[in-house]
Amino acid sequence: GAGVSQSPSNKVTEKGKDVELRCDPISGHTALYWYRQSLGQGLEFLIYFQGNSAPDKSGLPSDRFSAERTGGSVSTLTIQRTQQEDSAVYLCASSLIRTGNGYTFGSGTRLTVV
Amino acid sequence: GQQLNQSPQSMFIQEGEDVSMNCTSSSIFNTWLWYKQDPGEGPVLLIALYKAGELTSNGRLTAQFGITRKDSFLNISASIPSDVGIYFCAAFGGSQGNLIFGKGTKLSVKP
Repeated sequence: GAGVSQSPSNKVTEKGKDVELRCDPISGHTALYWYRQSLGQGLEFLIYFQGNSAPDKSGLPSDRFSAERTGGSVSTLTIQRTQQEDSAVYLCASSLIRTGNGYTFGSGTRLTVV
Repeated sequence: GQQLNQSPQSMFIQEGEDVSMNCTSSSIFNTWLWYKQDPGEGPVLLIALYKAGELTSNGRLTAQFGITRKDSFLNISASIPSDVGIYFCAAFGGSQGNLIFGKGTKLSVKP
């Protein structure tokens, strides 16, 4: 597509439930990134994909968080047994290659855990 | 881990004033970037800097890559209401190998 598409744009879930967040990157972009933005904070790196593999998962905050990417395209970020501290905006970005520029961000998914 | 210290956290300015914000780090980076985020949107790249000492302009925006490679500043001249938003510095090429971000400068302009 023309830009990075994320869905849903907003998600309210009950504490303890699992959620799946989707990212559809720009066609042809091999690198895909997930970031988390908490209120008043900068962007916290979560995970990086090159193609379907995730060589860098160092930012995932706990084992409740996982992500996959299939067909070198769509990625899903899954949060199991959500907690209130998981409430944040989850941003996805993609780029042609893993460089310092060329990241195009989606509009994010605002997750609220109640 | 590596951190970018961005200041100020927020600022209120009169329309027409110039604005300055900066980012510092104890680490050396190869690339510095400045992004702007509007409410409900993802960050959008404003300026990218690749060389120590480089000074780059984009319209009313000017940014510099510090000579030590540990800092960068962004200036906005003659601010207008649509400059409102959150500005993030970001850097790449340190030991982490991913783009890392400052905590942002929230800019509010009085009309």
